[in-house]
Amino acid sequence: GGIITQTPKFLIGQEGQKLTLKCQQNFNHDTMYWYRQDSGKGLRLIYYSITENDLQKGDLSEGYDASREKKSSFSLTVTSAQKNEMAVFLCASRTGGGTGQLYFGEGSKLTVL
Amino acid sequence: GQGVEQPAKLMSVEGTFARVNCTYSTSGFNGLSWYQQREGQAPVFLSYVVLDGLKDSGHFSTFLSRSNGYSYLLLTELQIKDSASYLCAVRDVSGTYQRFGTGTKLQVVP
Repeated sequence: GGIITQTPKFLIGQEGQKLTLKCQQNFNHDTMYWYRQDSGKGLRLIYYSITENDLQKGDLSEGYDASREKKSSFSLTVTSAQKNEMAVFLCASRTGGGTGQLYFGEGSKLTVL
Repeated sequence: GQGVEQPAKLMSVEGTFARVNCTYSTSGFNGLSWYQQREGQAPVFLSYVVLDGLKDSGHFSTFLSRSNGYSYLLLTELQIKDSASYLCAVRDVSGTYQRFGTGTKLQVVP
């Protein structure tokens, strides 16, 4: 089996700061995703990538940048953290099989002071 | 507009059943998945449906009606440990874009 590793697990930043989250997967999956989860709002797609160096915007891409320099890694940058922002960012990769099953990392919890 | 809707909360009694509903309105459809998410943990895949009807997988069963934009996840013989959030996700035509619902928090009580 494989695993998805997100770093850091907890991230505390200041208003206006640029913050980067990293995700590594060893499934050898082509497609990777970044979702944001806020309480009561489910998962909202920020960016996804179908292969190395590919980037596709999701519903919530404004205020974020992403980077996929290697097949195994996918980074997300919050370009300017908003005061009192608090959310969990989930990275996922997708199997190429018929179910399109997503495998998720444990999440990175962001708090902005 | 496009969207995936789920009720926020559901409570059921241990030993009985719970039905978690999901309604969707999307421009294209290439299947619907269900995930379980325990508090503070990552979502875990449960089931995938793309054809109409009931798919029985034992403790979890899933139903789909594409014409009505409706699915449900049925949990039978509930145990306390089934208390979790249940998320449905609709895939677009390409199969790549997966839009999640808001999730239903199921509480199983004794």
